Amino acid sequence: NAGVTQTPKFRILKIGQSMTLQCAQDMNHNYMYWYRQDPGMGLKLIYYSVGAGITDKGEVPNGYNVSRSTTEDFPLRLELAAPSQTSVYFCASTQDRYTEAFFGQGTRLTVV
Amino acid sequence: EDQVTQSPEALRLQEGESSSLNCSYTVSGLRGLFWYRQDPGKGPEFLFTLYSAGEEKEKERLKATLTKKESFLHITAPKPEDSATYLCAARRVGTGNQFYFGTGTSLTVIP
Repeated sequence: NAGVTQTPKFRILKIGQSMTLQCAQDMNHNYMYWYRQDPGMGLKLIYYSVGAGITDKGEVPNGYNVSRSTTEDFPLRLELAAPSQTSVYFCASTQDRYTEAFFGQGTRLTVV
Repeated sequence: EDQVTQSPEALRLQEGESSSLNCSYTVSGLRGLFWYRQDPGKGPEFLFTLYSAGEEKEKERLKATLTKKESFLHITAPKPEDSATYLCAARRVGTGNQFYFGTGTSLTVIP
């Protein structure tokens, strides 16, 4: 089982550039989440989705956008990258409202 | 305000020296308390879920417990390979059934 797959693993962006972080899961999970992890700050929720076609903002959504056209894929779009978006990004999915989240291996993004 | 607090931030143990990690939570409508292990450069890896006060779960040298306000991760006779950051997360009732994560405890076990 592949689980949750994130690409790319590493990326360096220049200020003002845009990019899409890819996330795919093969477990047929309805719930998917995007988090960012900064040193000493814990995981902060950016956006989430409870099913295909449904997305909503989390705690820190500014500067990001998402879409969920299929159950499997949940890409995160960064528009006009800023140094404050330098972070490690994790995608996660869960089967339902009660069970654990499965995480991808993360994307380390640096904005210079 | 929903909040999860972990202590200590960092813990150094000698191999075989047992200890406990604390996770305090204030979440309205708890759906579950989750423990994860995270190794450097990796995503969090699921360890345990606890759903109600008094519940306990065990796996090898780890044991998780839950009260109405706290959860503990007890580590018995740790080994160097137990070195990692341990995260706890509270999942709440509501739109999206979000997870709220603590900042983690970085555990180092010295041979």
